[in-house]
Formats: sequence, C-alpha cells, structure tokens
Amino acid sequence: EAGVVQSPRYKIIEKKQPVAFWCNPISGHNTLYWYRQNLGQGPELLIRYENEEAVDDSQLPKDRFSAERLKGVDSTLKIQPAELGDSAVYLCASSPGLAGGLGTDTQYFGPGTRLTVL
Amino acid sequence: QKEVEQDPGPLSVPEGAIVSLNCTYSNSAFQYFMWYRQYSRKGPELLMYTYSSGNKEDGRFTAQVDKSSKYISLFIRDSQPSDSATYLCAMSVTDKLIFGTGTRLQVFP
Repeated sequence: EAGVVQSPRYKIIEKKQPVAFWCNPISGHNTLYWYRQNLGQGPELLIRYENEEAVDDSQLPKDRFSAERLKGVDSTLKIQPAELGDSAVYLCASSPGLAGGLGTDTQYFGPGTRLTVL
Repeated sequence: QKEVEQDPGPLSVPEGAIVSLNCTYSNSAFQYFMWYRQYSRKGPELLMYTYSSGNKEDGRFTAQVDKSSKYISLFIRDSQPSDSATYLCAMSVTDKLIFGTGTRLQVFP
C-alpha cells in the first residue's frame, strides 16, 4: 500500500514569491492534515480536513496561507507571498477518520516538503 | 510554558544500552499519548500509542504514562544503531496532536 505522497520534496524560492505544496493521502483516508515543522521543533498543525471540509484551521496564517482539498482526496497548501520565516518542512498526514473526533486515529505522515525562502 | 516539554538532546549511547526518553506536559486533559520516530529527511512514524496511565510493551520498546506526575517515558532496550533517529512525544485530548520538540538519539556501534 502506498503511503502519503508529497511533492515537491524540496523547494527554494525568493521571498515574496508564491509557492504551492501538493499532498496525496493514503487511499480511503478521510482525514488530512497539514503540519509545519521548524528546525529542531516538533510538527505544528496548520489545518485539518474531514473529507472536503476544513474543520480546524485555527493555526493557519490566513493572510498568506491557503489550502484546499477538492473532491476530498488530494490537497494543496499555498503560501503567497512567502516570507523568510516560512522556511520549514511542510508535512502532510492522513488518517482513516474512524474516531469521529472522539479518540485518536493513527496519523500517517508523508516525507514532507523542505522549503527554503531566501 | 509549552504544553509539552521534551529534552532535545542529543543523546549518544553505545549499542546495547537501555535508552530512556521523557516528556512532561501541563494539560491534565490529555488522554492519548504517542511516541513517533523520525529519521533524517523523513516524516514521523508512529512507534507506540497508549491511552491513560500505565505501561505498554512492544518488542524492545516500552511506553510508560504517569498521569499523576504528567510525565511520559519511552524505554528502548538493547538499542541498535538503526534506532538512531529523533523521537517525538505527542499527546492529545481528541485528535489534535501536540508534539514535543523531539530528542535526537545516536546509537554508536
């Protein structure tokens, strides 16, 4: 079974440029997460989707970040414009969505996209 | 104060040693406790999952939760060079995970 797929794996851009990351979750997983992991830190949740619906985007900086999950499968995270402080690894994770928000589904992480903003 | 505190290490041990990794937390509502392993340039992978207080063993790994002290541990017995990675504790009330900073472990032959 294929795991969570992310692309690109690495991205280097100049500040103020736009950038987009793509995620394909494990087949059949209803819940999709985007995390940001700064160097030497643990992942921090940016947004969580249940199917097509964003159910927790409280940590997403909405002035420059946007995300979508059309048709409840693939997802795209966009930054426009990028700032120096956005340099980090952006991780996508998915889970079956069986817990209904009452327990904890196992989250399966992709390899991440390492973003460097110059 | 962060909700979850974890010593970043690095921790360097010889092969065969017993490793102890720890996290403390401040939110008494946390019910689910996890340990993830993250190899360099990879995403985290779930290693152990426990609910509430107590011990859970899986091969060379033992996870321990002490809710009265707000303290969780991961023990690795007979450590191997392949165990060299960053170990992240994570905890949640529902399905929003709060991660520690991770402890970098190096097991040398």
